[in-house]
Amino acid sequence: LAKTTQPISMDSYEGQEVNITCSHNNIATNDYITWYQQFPSQGPRFIIQGYKTKVTNEVASLFIPADRKSSTLSLPRVSLSDTAVYYCLVGDPNTGGFKTIFGAGTRLFVKA
Amino acid sequence: DAGVTQSPTHLIKTRGQHVTLRCSPISGHKSVSWYQQVLGQGPQFIFQYYEKEERGRGNFPDRFSARQFPNYSSELNVNALLLGDSALYLCASSLRQGAANQPQHFGDGTRLSIL
Repeated sequence: LAKTTQPISMDSYEGQEVNITCSHNNIATNDYITWYQQFPSQGPRFIIQGYKTKVTNEVASLFIPADRKSSTLSLPRVSLSDTAVYYCLVGDPNTGGFKTIFGAGTRLFVKA
Repeated sequence: DAGVTQSPTHLIKTRGQHVTLRCSPISGHKSVSWYQQVLGQGPQFIFQYYEKEERGRGNFPDRFSARQFPNYSSELNVNALLLGDSALYLCASSLRQGAANQPQHFGDGTRLSIL
Protein backbone atom coordinates (compact mmCIF):
# COMPACT_ATOMS: atom_id res chain seq x y z
CA LEU A 1 0.00 0.00 0.00
CA ALA A 2 1.37 3.36 -1.00
CA LYS A 3 2.35 5.66 1.83
CA THR A 4 1.30 9.29 1.76
CA THR A 5 3.00 12.41 3.06
CA GLN A 6 1.11 15.62 3.81
CA PRO A 7 1.94 18.85 5.64
CA ILE A 8 1.09 18.57 9.29
CA SER A 9 -0.77 21.87 9.40
CA MET A 10 -1.75 24.89 7.31
CA ASP A 11 -3.24 28.29 8.11
CA SER A 12 -5.44 30.35 5.82
CA TYR A 13 -7.90 33.24 5.88
CA GLU A 14 -11.54 33.30 4.97
CA GLY A 15 -12.15 33.72 1.24
CA GLN A 16 -8.78 32.40 0.18
CA GLU A 17 -8.11 29.35 -1.95
CA VAL A 18 -6.33 26.58 -0.09
CA ASN A 19 -4.19 23.97 -1.78
CA ILE A 20 -3.07 20.90 0.18
CA THR A 21 -0.51 18.71 -1.51
CA CYS A 22 -0.03 15.03 -0.83
CA SER A 23 3.00 13.00 -1.91
CA HIS A 24 2.60 9.34 -2.83
CA ASN A 25 5.77 8.32 -4.64
CA ASN A 26 4.98 4.60 -4.56
CA ILE A 27 1.49 4.82 -5.98
CA ALA A 28 0.53 1.69 -7.93
CA THR A 29 -1.12 1.52 -11.33
CA ASN A 30 -4.53 0.59 -9.95
CA ASP A 31 -4.48 2.99 -7.00
CA TYR A 32 -6.98 5.81 -6.65
CA ILE A 33 -6.47 8.96 -4.59
CA THR A 34 -9.17 9.88 -2.09
CA TRP A 35 -9.50 12.83 0.26
CA TYR A 36 -11.52 12.96 3.47
CA GLN A 37 -12.37 15.80 5.86
CA GLN A 38 -12.79 15.30 9.58
CA PHE A 39 -14.17 17.62 12.23
CA PRO A 40 -13.56 17.00 15.95
CA SER A 41 -15.69 14.20 17.42
CA GLN A 42 -17.06 13.28 14.00
CA GLY A 43 -16.25 10.59 11.49
CA PRO A 44 -14.32 11.43 8.31
CA ARG A 45 -16.40 12.73 5.44
CA PHE A 46 -15.61 11.92 1.80
CA ILE A 47 -14.58 14.97 -0.23
CA ILE A 48 -13.30 13.80 -3.59
CA GLN A 49 -11.65 10.89 -5.40
CA GLY A 50 -9.63 10.72 -8.58
CA TYR A 51 -7.30 8.61 -10.68
CA LYS A 52 -5.61 11.10 -12.99
CA THR A 53 -5.73 14.67 -14.33
CA LYS A 54 -8.39 16.81 -12.69
CA VAL A 55 -11.60 16.04 -10.84
CA THR A 56 -14.02 18.69 -9.65
CA ASN A 57 -17.16 18.53 -7.58
CA GLU A 58 -19.27 21.06 -5.73
CA VAL A 59 -16.85 21.43 -2.83
CA ALA A 60 -13.33 20.85 -4.13
CA SER A 61 -10.99 20.08 -7.01
CA LEU A 62 -8.34 17.42 -7.16
CA PHE A 63 -5.31 17.88 -9.38
CA ILE A 64 -3.20 14.85 -10.26
CA PRO A 65 -0.09 15.25 -12.44
CA ALA A 66 0.77 12.76 -15.15
CA ASP A 67 3.25 10.80 -13.01
CA ARG A 68 0.61 10.54 -10.23
CA LYS A 69 3.30 10.75 -7.55
CA SER A 70 1.48 13.61 -5.88
CA SER A 71 -1.93 15.20 -5.79
CA THR A 72 -3.34 18.54 -4.70
CA LEU A 73 -6.66 19.15 -3.03
CA SER A 74 -7.94 22.64 -3.82
CA LEU A 75 -10.59 24.26 -1.65
CA PRO A 76 -11.95 27.46 -3.21
CA ARG A 77 -12.81 30.42 -1.00
CA VAL A 78 -12.56 28.71 2.37
CA SER A 79 -14.69 29.72 5.32
CA LEU A 80 -14.26 29.29 9.06
CA SER A 81 -16.26 26.07 8.84
CA ASP A 82 -13.57 24.51 6.66
CA THR A 83 -11.29 24.32 9.70
CA ALA A 84 -10.72 20.58 9.96
CA VAL A 85 -8.25 17.76 9.38
CA TYR A 86 -7.84 16.65 5.78
CA TYR A 87 -6.64 13.15 4.94
CA CYS A 88 -5.13 11.94 1.68
CA LEU A 89 -5.49 8.21 1.01
CA VAL A 90 -4.11 6.05 -1.77
CA GLY A 91 -5.27 2.54 -2.54
CA ASP A 92 -6.78 0.12 -5.00
CA PRO A 93 -10.49 -0.03 -4.24
CA ASN A 94 -11.06 -3.00 -6.49
CA THR A 95 -8.88 -5.58 -4.74
CA GLY A 96 -10.16 -7.92 -2.11
CA GLY A 97 -9.58 -6.79 1.44
CA PHE A 98 -9.26 -3.18 0.42
CA LYS A 99 -7.88 -1.31 3.37
CA THR A 100 -8.21 2.40 3.84
CA ILE A 101 -4.93 3.66 5.24
CA PHE A 102 -5.09 7.04 6.89
CA GLY A 103 -1.98 9.05 7.65
CA ALA A 104 -1.79 11.83 10.21
CA GLY A 105 -3.61 14.27 7.94
CA THR A 106 -3.26 18.02 7.49
CA ARG A 107 -4.81 20.30 10.09
CA LEU A 108 -6.23 23.32 8.28
CA PHE A 109 -7.02 26.35 10.40
CA VAL A 110 -9.05 29.09 8.73
CA LYS A 111 -8.89 32.49 10.35
CA ALA A 112 -11.29 35.42 10.03
CA ASP B 1 -31.81 8.29 4.26
CA ALA B 2 -30.11 7.66 7.56
CA GLY B 3 -26.36 7.61 7.60
CA VAL B 4 -24.13 5.14 9.40
CA THR B 5 -25.27 4.85 13.00
CA GLN B 6 -23.14 3.67 15.88
CA SER B 7 -24.00 2.82 19.44
CA PRO B 8 -23.31 3.70 22.10
CA THR B 9 -21.87 7.17 21.49
CA HIS B 10 -19.82 7.08 24.68
CA LEU B 11 -18.69 4.25 26.92
CA ILE B 12 -16.55 3.98 30.02
CA LYS B 13 -14.98 0.66 30.98
CA THR B 14 -12.25 -0.54 33.29
CA ARG B 15 -9.17 -2.57 32.44
CA GLY B 16 -9.83 -6.25 31.83
CA GLN B 17 -13.45 -5.79 30.89
CA HIS B 18 -15.06 -6.65 27.58
CA VAL B 19 -16.90 -4.27 25.25
CA THR B 20 -19.24 -4.61 22.27
CA LEU B 21 -19.73 -1.76 19.84
CA ARG B 22 -22.49 -1.75 17.26
CA CYS B 23 -22.84 -0.32 13.78
CA SER B 24 -25.73 -0.05 11.35
CA PRO B 25 -24.64 0.71 7.78
CA ILE B 26 -26.44 2.87 5.30
CA SER B 27 -29.37 1.00 3.81
CA GLY B 28 -28.20 -1.08 0.87
CA HIS B 29 -24.55 -1.02 1.88
CA LYS B 30 -23.07 -4.47 2.26
CA SER B 31 -19.54 -3.65 3.37
CA VAL B 32 -18.65 -2.51 6.87
CA SER B 33 -15.23 -1.52 8.14
CA TRP B 34 -14.01 -0.69 11.62
CA TYR B 35 -11.30 1.82 12.57
CA GLN B 36 -9.65 2.92 15.78
CA GLN B 37 -8.70 6.57 16.12
CA VAL B 38 -6.48 7.61 18.97
CA LEU B 39 -6.53 11.29 19.87
CA GLY B 40 -4.38 13.31 17.50
CA GLN B 41 -3.88 10.52 14.96
CA GLY B 42 -5.61 9.32 11.84
CA PRO B 43 -7.99 6.35 11.92
CA GLN B 44 -6.31 2.94 11.91
CA PHE B 45 -7.95 0.09 10.02
CA ILE B 46 -9.12 -2.85 12.15
CA PHE B 47 -11.47 -5.00 10.07
CA GLN B 48 -13.49 -5.07 6.89
CA TYR B 49 -16.54 -7.28 6.44
CA TYR B 50 -18.40 -7.87 3.22
CA GLU B 51 -21.35 -10.18 2.77
CA LYS B 52 -20.87 -11.38 6.35
CA GLU B 53 -17.29 -12.53 5.76
CA GLU B 54 -14.07 -10.98 6.98
CA ARG B 55 -12.26 -9.54 3.97
CA GLY B 56 -9.48 -7.61 5.63
CA ARG B 57 -7.75 -7.31 8.97
CA GLY B 58 -5.39 -4.67 10.26
CA ASN B 59 -2.53 -5.03 12.71
CA PHE B 60 -4.55 -5.50 15.87
CA PRO B 61 -4.30 -8.26 18.49
CA ASP B 62 -6.70 -11.19 18.73
CA ARG B 63 -8.49 -9.39 21.54
CA PHE B 64 -10.27 -7.56 18.76
CA SER B 65 -12.96 -9.44 16.85
CA ALA B 66 -15.96 -8.55 14.77
CA ARG B 67 -18.84 -10.02 12.90
CA GLN B 68 -21.45 -8.96 10.38
CA PHE B 69 -25.05 -10.03 10.56
CA PRO B 70 -27.49 -11.00 7.78
CA ASN B 71 -28.92 -7.47 7.85
CA TYR B 72 -25.33 -6.18 7.28
CA SER B 73 -25.09 -4.56 10.69
CA SER B 74 -21.90 -5.28 12.56
CA GLU B 75 -20.41 -5.63 16.01
CA LEU B 76 -16.87 -4.99 17.16
CA ASN B 77 -15.81 -6.86 20.27
CA VAL B 78 -12.76 -6.11 22.37
CA ASN B 79 -11.73 -8.40 25.22
CA ALA B 80 -9.40 -7.82 28.15
CA LEU B 81 -9.45 -4.06 27.70
CA LEU B 82 -6.23 -2.12 28.16
CA LEU B 83 -5.73 1.57 28.87
CA GLY B 84 -4.35 1.90 25.36
CA ASP B 85 -7.68 0.83 23.88
CA SER B 86 -9.10 4.23 24.80
CA ALA B 87 -10.03 5.75 21.46
CA LEU B 88 -12.77 6.75 19.07
CA TYR B 89 -14.00 3.65 17.24
CA LEU B 90 -15.36 4.41 13.81
CA CYS B 91 -17.55 2.32 11.57
CA ALA B 92 -17.76 2.92 7.84
CA SER B 93 -19.99 1.39 5.21
CA SER B 94 -19.82 1.20 1.45
CA LEU B 95 -21.97 -0.25 -1.26
CA ARG B 96 -19.60 -3.04 -2.20
CA GLN B 97 -16.39 -4.54 -0.89
CA GLY B 98 -14.41 -2.02 -2.78
CA ALA B 99 -14.93 -0.04 -5.95
CA ALA B 100 -13.78 3.21 -7.38
CA ASN B 101 -16.19 6.03 -6.83
CA GLN B 102 -17.78 4.07 -4.00
CA PRO B 103 -16.32 5.89 -1.03
CA GLN B 104 -16.78 4.80 2.53
CA HIS B 105 -19.34 6.63 4.64
CA PHE B 106 -18.38 6.98 8.28
CA GLY B 107 -20.44 7.15 11.42
CA ASP B 108 -19.51 9.56 14.20
CA GLY B 109 -18.03 6.80 16.28
CA THR B 110 -18.11 5.43 19.79
CA ARG B 111 -15.84 7.17 22.27
CA LEU B 112 -14.41 4.44 24.50
CA SER B 113 -12.62 5.41 27.68
CA ILE B 114 -10.76 2.86 29.76
CA LEU B 115 -10.14 3.63 33.42
